Amino acid sequence: NAGVTQTPKFQVLKTGQSMTLQCAQDMNHNSMYWYRQDPGMGLRLIYYSASEGTTDKGEVPNGYNVSRLNKREFSLRLESAAPSQTSVYFCASSGGGAQAGWAGSNQPQHFGDGTRLSIL
Amino acid sequence: RKEVEQDPGPFNVPEGATVAFNCTYSNSASQSFFWYRQDCRKEPKLLMSVYSSGNEDGRFTAQLNRASQYISLLIRDSKLSDSATYLCVVNTYGGATNKLIFGTGTLLAVQP
Repeated sequence: NAGVTQTPKFQVLKTGQSMTLQCAQDMNHNSMYWYRQDPGMGLRLIYYSASEGTTDKGEVPNGYNVSRLNKREFSLRLESAAPSQTSVYFCASSGGGAQAGWAGSNQPQHFGDGTRLSIL
Repeated sequence: RKEVEQDPGPFNVPEGATVAFNCTYSNSASQSFFWYRQDCRKEPKLLMSVYSSGNEDGRFTAQLNRASQYISLLIRDSKLSDSATYLCVVNTYGGATNKLIFGTGTLLAVQP
């Protein structure tokens, strides 16, 4: 009964390094999302995928890229990490939102347990 | 003005108390509303959706006031295990403005 699985759980990078955060869901959800959470701020949407084969920018996409590999998997890539990207990253999925441009649906989102990323 | 605003707290209450949180939203086109719970260093988890007519789930009651653009969460008979951050979430959709906005959360600490 895994739900949404994120890897890795923790990572320390040096400025300029690249890495990919992995996310997979086993709930047959159409929509998947990547958020970052910083102290004193709400969750902020980085990118989302309303359905397999589509991706769209969220509120804070700069410095990130994503790939919706298949219906189950949605990865987030940092091409050249910067200290400002130190954060906790959450992946989420939801059952609705097949319509393009749908950043969230009226279905609740289910979250992975997060990746704590520090960039030195 | 933030799109979704919550009192950050902390709300320190004794066990058994009743506590209420409010959340205001700025976009009158908002359509769906949720309360999530987030424990320290954990992921957010859906607590309950908020329906126009109001809804109750055990000790938790959620209300929506569209005219004043706020939602509320009432917790009765607080338990120690209710200690967490409660996130108000508003979903606005339509055209180019589809988005899910999370409040920064209200911290609840239930004291023995």
